Amino acid sequence: NAGVTQTPKFQVLKTGQSMTLQCAQDMNHEYMSWYRQDPGMGLRLIHYSVGAGITDQGEVPNGYNVSRSTTEDFPLRLLSAAPSQTSVYFCASSRKPGQGSEQYFGPGTRLTVT
Amino acid sequence: KQEVTQIPAALSVPEGENLVLNCSFTDSAIYNLQWFRQDPGKGLTSLLLIQSSQREQTSGRLNASLDKSSGRSTLYIAASQPGDSATYLCAPNRDDKIIFGKGTRLHILP
Repeated sequence: NAGVTQTPKFQVLKTGQSMTLQCAQDMNHEYMSWYRQDPGMGLRLIHYSVGAGITDQGEVPNGYNVSRSTTEDFPLRLLSAAPSQTSVYFCASSRKPGQGSEQYFGPGTRLTVT
Repeated sequence: KQEVTQIPAALSVPEGENLVLNCSFTDSAIYNLQWFRQDPGKGLTSLLLIQSSQREQTSGRLNASLDKSSGRSTLYIAASQPGDSATYLCAPNRDDKIIFGKGTRLHILP
């Protein structure tokens, strides 16, 4: 198993550009989520999904869109990048949280918006 | 809304000491709680997962306890080593939203 994979590892965008951060997992996990990590702020939940076709907002959803058309993939879209979105982004997956399962994290994407 | 606090924010101790990291959370209706380790510039590595029905979980020199009713968990590290230097994060899991504390930055002095 590859676990949770994220692409790209690094990205530089100009303000106003759009892009999609990719996340995939091969463990047949129902639950997937996106976090951003900023110095002094810890990890903050952006969006999450409890299964294909179901998504919901986390703590800091503004400026980000998600969709979950398959169990394996959970892309995060930035429609119009802003410097405030400069951060490290982590994707995670697990079986249903109610089943008490362990979360697995991807290696992260380091995004810089100039 | 779940709020997670980790104390201390940073800790430096000499090699060989036993130490305790603390995590408190405001909403005790959790499914489980997970402790992670993060090295600088790296992703998160899972250390221990404690189910809501458990009181503690052990892995090698690590022992994590959970007191759900009081909203507290502790991570005990025995005989610390320089390789234990990292940031330690706790994450209680409730209602499909897994919220993290800001972590404890641990530095073990050789």
